[in-house]
Amino acid sequence: GAVVSQHPSRVICKSGTSVKIECRSLDFQATTMFWYRQFPKKSLMLMATSNEGSKATYEQGVEKDKFLINHASLTLSTLTVTSAHPEDSSFYICSARGRLETQYFGPGTRLLVL
Amino acid sequence: RKEVEQDPGPFNVPEGATVAFNCTYSNSASQSFFWYRQDCRKEPKLLMSVYSSGNEDGRFTAQLNRASQYISLLIRDSKLSDSATYLCAAAPEYQGGKLIFGQGTELSVKP
Repeated sequence: GAVVSQHPSRVICKSGTSVKIECRSLDFQATTMFWYRQFPKKSLMLMATSNEGSKATYEQGVEKDKFLINHASLTLSTLTVTSAHPEDSSFYICSARGRLETQYFGPGTRLLVL
Repeated sequence: RKEVEQDPGPFNVPEGATVAFNCTYSNSASQSFFWYRQDCRKEPKLLMSVYSSGNEDGRFTAQLNRASQYISLLIRDSKLSDSATYLCAAAPEYQGGKLIFGQGTELSVKP
């Protein structure tokens, strides 16, 4: 099946720093990737839709200047959490859209902001 | 009202039991539906897509009822390894394929 990787798998950082998370589709090209966040015992919440070569579409309530998304190629999208604060600590998961609208998820990135 | 709603559970069942999960969606324009399985601290993995005619994959059966706007997942002869959180997801029409997830239903299968 389709494989999506994420890097890093976990990161601990100080408040105020920026953190970049990479999402790669390894064996297929993805014109569309999605970024989700998930708090413990909660569902996945879509943050934004990332389209190759164009600006990301953010969901209501998600600050685009806080969560910078770049989809530079058909296999790579990045999410940068700028000036991270403790409340940004969460599980960030990307997915890449493959054939038949199926989404394949990356393994996720655990972010802890101290 | 949430766009996709599930009973969060937990559902505690003995091995071999049959268990059913329901999921309702509010956006009648939703076109595609899916069930995902998520293990603790892992990413969701696609379990099955849900078709109007219903579909079955081994011990798992998914049904879609467009009139009542709900989808269901039936697990027969449950195994210990079925313990996980089951997420339903709906893809609204003309929204670039994004998925709206329910909050997930936790299943615990006991020996």
